[in-house]
Amino acid sequence: EADIYQTPRYLVIGTGKKITLECSQTMGHDKMYWYQQDPGMELHLIHYSYGVNSTEKGDLSSESTVSRIRTEHFPLTLESARPSHTSQYLCASSGGGGVNQPQHFGDGTRLSIL
Amino acid sequence: KNQVEQSPQSLIILEGKNCTLQCNYTVSPFSNLRWYKQDTGRGPVSLTIMTFSENTKSNGRYTATLDADTKQSSLHITASQLSDSASYICVVSSTGGGNKLTFGTGTQLKVEL
Repeated sequence: EADIYQTPRYLVIGTGKKITLECSQTMGHDKMYWYQQDPGMELHLIHYSYGVNSTEKGDLSSESTVSRIRTEHFPLTLESARPSHTSQYLCASSGGGGVNQPQHFGDGTRLSIL
Repeated sequence: KNQVEQSPQSLIILEGKNCTLQCNYTVSPFSNLRWYKQDTGRGPVSLTIMTFSENTKSNGRYTATLDADTKQSSLHITASQLSDSASYICVVSSTGGGNKLTFGTGTQLKVEL
């Protein structure tokens, strides 16, 4: 089992609220990622970080923002939630040792915006 | 455009039977190919990672094959168990653009008694 944790697991909240999805890993991995996954669809990368104070946008445009102040922590924030943000959000991390390292995923946050 | 296509989209088999899932890709330049298992409501878990020079790799009852010439991979599951019921996702990594991953939509496998 990978040591990467996401909270909350489920969140139902009204439009306009500010939301922060938490992701923490205890493996000391430098690289962390956020993916968005809709039912029956592929994962899409929305943010990634290769280390502290380093964040980049992924392939899928997202209104969310991320921060990486500590190696183990990579939270994702939505300033004003909208129904279009309803989705599953998966956090992942990977270690050093080259490009053939697997990504370890958390169990995700299923977000529903009413 | 880099793409990963998986077939079948879904599959139902009886416990104890074998099955093979397919993955075709057009990702270039190729770095590696990964198979993940995703249980319902959970995050994906890595099964195998294969580089260009590897033709086959096993992880218990899971055996993945790779034909880099035809850009095809398969995942063979032997003696299926109820716990094998999950989505199996093929992911291809490209050396271009900072080792970008392209995900397939997965094959939904259900193992029944």
